[in-house]
Amino acid sequence: EVQLVESGGGLVQPGGSLRLSCAASGFTFSSYWMHWVRQAPGKGLVWVSRINSDGSSTSYADSVKGRFTISRDNAKNTLYLQMNSLRAEDTAVYYCARVGPGGDLDYWGQGTLVTVSS
Amino acid sequence: NFMLTQPHSVSESPGKTVTISCTRSSGSIASNYVQWYQQRPGSSPTTVIYEDNQRPSGVPDRFSGSIDSSSNSASLTISGLKTEDEADYYCQSYDSSNQVFGGGTKLTVL
Repeated sequence: EVQLVESGGGLVQPGGSLRLSCAASGFTFSSYWMHWVRQAPGKGLVWVSRINSDGSSTSYADSVKGRFTISRDNAKNTLYLQMNSLRAEDTAVYYCARVGPGGDLDYWGQGTLVTVSS
Repeated sequence: NFMLTQPHSVSESPGKTVTISCTRSSGSIASNYVQWYQQRPGSSPTTVIYEDNQRPSGVPDRFSGSIDSSSNSASLTISGLKTEDEADYYCQSYDSSNQVFGGGTKLTVL
């Protein structure tokens, strides 16, 4: 069974940093591209970042470019999102998701809540 | 970058058919596949349509997708509406470097 489990969320002050993790199981993690998607409370889905299967290629939404870094450790079956210079508008549930054979995000984690507030 | 625009909300009665639109602001809707996700309250999104009109296994054939180049839009149609279809629906597409989600449409089945 495919499972994606996010962790690392919490309360952080503006300007602070946080690292999210997404532990993958039930599939060959190193073969799949992965994404981070966020959802502010009561709002819609917003794409954040993606990484290819071996970690050699990444892309970011303009709103997080230069502040967030996506990475992966295929030996540990884990995806990461390093978030620096956090702002109140980064407050959201952060989901990791797998790109399936059909090109859609076919499996999502349960999400981890990041709250940026003083 | 482009945007995907969806109606904020739609409502329809059980047994009826509803269509949710998703209009691409720039670039051709046909140039990149469109996906549709369903998100029920408190749950993570799940795919109902991928590659414009393909249904994942387990998604009923009441769900269908299409694209219309003349209006540069994609559509999700749900027929034979059931109360369990009440959810938020998001379209999603991409270009060479970015993924884009529509703002989401709240479907009420009443």
